[in-house]
Order: sequence, then structure tokens, then C-alpha cells
Amino acid sequence: GESVGLHLPTLSVQEGDNSIINCAYSNSASDYFIWYKQESGKGPQFIIDIRSNMDKRQGQRVTVLLNKTVKHLSLQIAATQPGDSAVYFCAVALGYNNNDMRFGAGTRLTVKP
Amino acid sequence: NAGVTQTPKFQVLKTGQSMTLQCAQDMNHEYMSWYRQDPGMGLRLIHYSVGAGITDQGEVPNGYNVSRSTTEDFPLRLLSAAPSQTSVYFCASSYSLSRTGNEQFFGPGTRLTVL
Repeated sequence: GESVGLHLPTLSVQEGDNSIINCAYSNSASDYFIWYKQESGKGPQFIIDIRSNMDKRQGQRVTVLLNKTVKHLSLQIAATQPGDSAVYFCAVALGYNNNDMRFGAGTRLTVKP
Repeated sequence: NAGVTQTPKFQVLKTGQSMTLQCAQDMNHEYMSWYRQDPGMGLRLIHYSVGAGITDQGEVPNGYNVSRSTTEDFPLRLLSAAPSQTSVYFCASSYSLSRTGNEQFFGPGTRLTVL
């Protein structure tokens, strides 16, 4: 099986600072990792993903880092804005063709103006 | 495109009642799935489908049935509702999960309360 956990349930940052949200997973065979953002009352929204053959992937203001040695995943948000306030989930896909996905409990990011 | 739509938005059931949560997508996605989200927790996969006629169990399938007769629709049936099934239910779809950058789209959710 797979268990997915986050290091901190809440994170508060100042507007303009960089944010780092962490996630740990248990199954070394996990192959596909995704970060989602969920705003209040809405469904999760895809942010960025990474496969196990990569260590780093960048998007617009976001970077995902994967450390397979210690089974750790992080999401970095540059120049955090008030609109980034939300709950962030990491998800790990298991199974052939990555069809079975397990989510962590989430980190609530609050951006202070 | 409407994306992923779910009905109803809210539902209250009594213990033992059955009902079907509807999910539809108009993006011609192969992969569809159902999740439940309990307060303060992440999503847990109930069932998923990789195409019409193909379904499989996720992490928490007990008490739920699914079918996939068309590419567009993926209904979730509660056979005999229990208070433990009080939750917010999300449906999601994507082309597949095999390729990096393949975004999974989520519906707005159905908030279900079982009394």
C-alpha cells in the first residue's frame, strides 16, 4: 500500500515571500506525484506533477522537487500572493498506469498581506 | 465545455436509503474517478474507471457501486446509506494518468449528509 503525509497542517507566510510545502510518501515504487490546490467550497485544482525519473519540475511560480532517496516531495511557491491562500494536497499515484491515487491530508497556506 | 459536472450539489438521506450521485464530463476523457473528502482530510479514492465498461476499486470502495456504460457518465451508487458515508464527494476525469502534465479535472462536489 501507500501512505502519504504532510509535515505541517498549516503554514503562514508574508505576501511576497516564498512558500515551501512538504510531503512524505511510503512506497518506494510510487511513480507519479501531483500537487493540488483546493480553495474553500471547490474541488481540487491541478498545480504541477512529476514522474519518478525526474528530480525537479518547474511551472509558473511553482517548483516541485522529488527526493526518492528519502521519499520526500515538496512544492515551492515563489513570491506568494493572497490568491495562493488555499489547502494544498500532494497525491501519489500507485498501480499500473498510475490509476490508483492516494492523497495526503493537506497543508492550509495562509498569506498575510 | 462544461468540464466535469456533478448533481446534486447537496443531499440529505436517512440511514438505509439508496441514491445515485451523478457525474458527467464532456472532454472525452478516458479516466474517471470518485473520491470522498472528510473534514480536515485529503481525498480518498472510492472507485475509478479507465474507460467505458471498465471499473476498479480504490482505497475505500465498500458501500458504493459504479458503472461506466458511456465515456461521458460515471454514476456512483450508495446501496444502503450509513452515517459514516456523510462526506463531500468529488468526481474527476482526465485523459489518463500515464503521462506527465496530464491534468485531472475535478467537479464541484456533492455534499452528502446521512442521518
